[in-house]
Amino acid sequence: EAAVTQSPRSKVAVTGGKVTLSCHQTNNHDYMYWYRQDTGHGLRLIHYSYVADSTEKGDIPDGYKASRPSQENFSLILELASLSQTAVYFCASGTGGSYEQYFGPGTRLTVL
Amino acid sequence: AQSVTQPDARVTVSEGASLQLRCKYSYFGTPYLFWYVQYPRQGLQLLLKYYPGDPVVQGVNGFEAEFSKSNSSFHLRKASVHWSDWAVYFCAAVNMGYKLTFGTGTSLLVDP
Repeated sequence: EAAVTQSPRSKVAVTGGKVTLSCHQTNNHDYMYWYRQDTGHGLRLIHYSYVADSTEKGDIPDGYKASRPSQENFSLILELASLSQTAVYFCASGTGGSYEQYFGPGTRLTVL
Repeated sequence: AQSVTQPDARVTVSEGASLQLRCKYSYFGTPYLFWYVQYPRQGLQLLLKYYPGDPVVQGVNGFEAEFSKSNSSFHLRKASVHWSDWAVYFCAAVNMGYKLTFGTGTSLLVDP
């Protein structure tokens, strides 16, 4: 069954540490997205990619990097984690034509 | 600026009662519109989608939504709510490009 998976499902990180969140999709979609979810803000787009080896900035890219080494995999990297990056992070994949997006289960990140 | 507004942060309905969750958009032209549902500690699942055409669209589990250009709205409805509908509902829109803009979500509570 086609799906979007994320790892880890939860993580506790220390301030200033490096955090890598991983996403894998078997939907054969070209587009992949990283969002963060905060109470009262809905989902906000951090980075996205429409082809391997290329990433684009979303609406709130500061403090985050992204990597798309293959069509199936998309990582979100926090080089220097900060308290304000405590949130739930969702990965999604989608096609270009239909605009539909399919979401992973999320990663709950707590930065202490 | 393009935006999606869900004016009700929380809605409570009795099981078996009808439901309407409100969504307003602000876009140049007619966007593509979506409703997603998020069950506790899960990712978002697509409930239904609107592409320009018939203003009333049907989704899963008895949900439907009606697009109104004059009111810039895309309200979600259900005739009879079930306890399993307890979740957070997000309205989203896309016009040009492939970036969805999400509303802040409406938490639906179902009284038994």
